[in-house]
Amino acid sequence: DTGVSQDPRHKITKRGQNVTFRCDPISEHNRLYWYRQTLGQGPEFLTYFQNEAQLEKSRLLSDRFSAERPKGSFSTLEIQRTEQGDSAMYLCASSLGSGGAVNNEQFFGPGTRLTVL
Amino acid sequence: RKEVEQDPGPFNVPEGATVAFNCTYSNSASQSFFWYRQDCRKEPKLLMSVYSSGNEDGRFTAQLNRASQYISLLIRDSKLSDSATYLCVVKGGPGNQFYFGTGTSLTVIP
Repeated sequence: DTGVSQDPRHKITKRGQNVTFRCDPISEHNRLYWYRQTLGQGPEFLTYFQNEAQLEKSRLLSDRFSAERPKGSFSTLEIQRTEQGDSAMYLCASSLGSGGAVNNEQFFGPGTRLTVL
Repeated sequence: RKEVEQDPGPFNVPEGATVAFNCTYSNSASQSFFWYRQDCRKEPKLLMSVYSSGNEDGRFTAQLNRASQYISLLIRDSKLSDSATYLCVVKGGPGNQFYFGTGTSLTVIP
């Protein structure tokens, strides 16, 4: 399968624990995005990488959230001291972006569903 | 004000009907526009990009009106398999990010 993959698919944790999610983008894609989606809402942007550089981070993202993409390939999203309000689907997407490209379509992974008890 | 606004619906239409969704965006400098489809408990998947001249893909037609800052999606001859949530997506705005609407729920009834 050459699409975007995410691991784990489901995570149940207790409040206060740390969790880490992984995303493997489509191999030739240089851009990688993390989103959070709750029921009845569209995906909400969290952060974005171009290659290994984290270029944007949502102002809504608390300092308990951190993301890395150390070699410009896979990425990890860590949530420290989880809260019940962190329960959501965490989606990763990748795209092939270049300076002049306008329509940079995103391809999504299946998501990691987080439940914080 | 949200970057992208959509009517959440739900839209319940009979098979064979034509249905249209609209979406408005707030940043006039937005560059790229898309419609994504999301099935229940699945990830969003690209349905079609929206080009300035409008574009059609089978039963689906997308239009962009830059002057009024809205995009539309028209589905003709609805099928049961069209039942899903349709997400309007706009690239641009603060940080040149992708902004998603809340989605419009469509149910096609036999």
